[in-house]
Amino acid sequence: GAGVSQTPSNKVTEKGKYVELRCDPISGHTALYWYRQSLGQGPEFLIYFQGTGAADDSGLPNDRFFAVRPEGSVSTLKIQRTERGDSAVYLCASSLTMTGDTEAFFGQGTRLTVV
Amino acid sequence: AQKVTQAQTEISVVEKEDVTLDCVYETRDTTYYLFWYKQPPSGELVFLIRRNSFDEQNEISGRYSWNFQKSTSSFNFTITASQVVDSAVYFCALLNNAGNMLTFGGGTRLMVKP
Repeated sequence: GAGVSQTPSNKVTEKGKYVELRCDPISGHTALYWYRQSLGQGPEFLIYFQGTGAADDSGLPNDRFFAVRPEGSVSTLKIQRTERGDSAVYLCASSLTMTGDTEAFFGQGTRLTVV
Repeated sequence: AQKVTQAQTEISVVEKEDVTLDCVYETRDTTYYLFWYKQPPSGELVFLIRRNSFDEQNEISGRYSWNFQKSTSSFNFTITASQVVDSAVYFCALLNNAGNMLTFGGGTRLMVKP
C-alpha cells in the first residue's frame, strides 16, 4: 500500500497478557517512530528507529515495552504483562530520513484495550 | 525539555466563521521545526504544514493560514470561512534539533456547526 499500515486496528486483551502490534512503513522510509495516544491527549513519543537500530527509546515507559525492526522495514511493538493503563491508541509513523524537512506519515493506529 | 501548549481544548463555531487555533512552544534548541496535524474521527494524523525555525514568513494555503512569531514562541493556525468538514482535533507539534522526536500539544477539538 501507499501509506503506513498498522495491524491490528483494534486489539482487546486481558490484563497480564502479551501483545504485539505491527507497523508496515512506507517503502524506502528509513526512519520509523512509535507514539502512544491516550484518550483526549496528544501523541507521546515512545521509540525511534533509524534503519534496524533503535536510535532513541527514551519514551518507552518501562521494561514491559520493547520494539524491534529486524530488517529495517516492518516494526513490532511488544508489550508484556499488559496493564489497564496501557490502553491507548498506538501510532506508527515513518519518514524518508530523520530530518525536519521531510514529512512523517502516520498510520491509523492500533487501539489497544486492556480489560 | 520541549513543551507544546494548546490552551484551547475545544472550540465551537458556526460554518463560515473564521477561527484561530493557538499554539505556544518551549525549546532550548536554536534550530527546530513546527508542525500542525489534523486528526479526523478516523484517527489518522494528517500533515498540514511544516515550518523551519529560521523561516518566520507567514503562510497561506487556501482557507488555511499560519502565523509564526518566534518572539512570542507561537505558531497559530487560522481557518477562514470554516466548513463542517474542518471538524477534527488539531495538533501542534515541535520537532527537536536531532530530528528524532515530535512533541505534541494536547490538541484542540474544533467543531464546526452547519
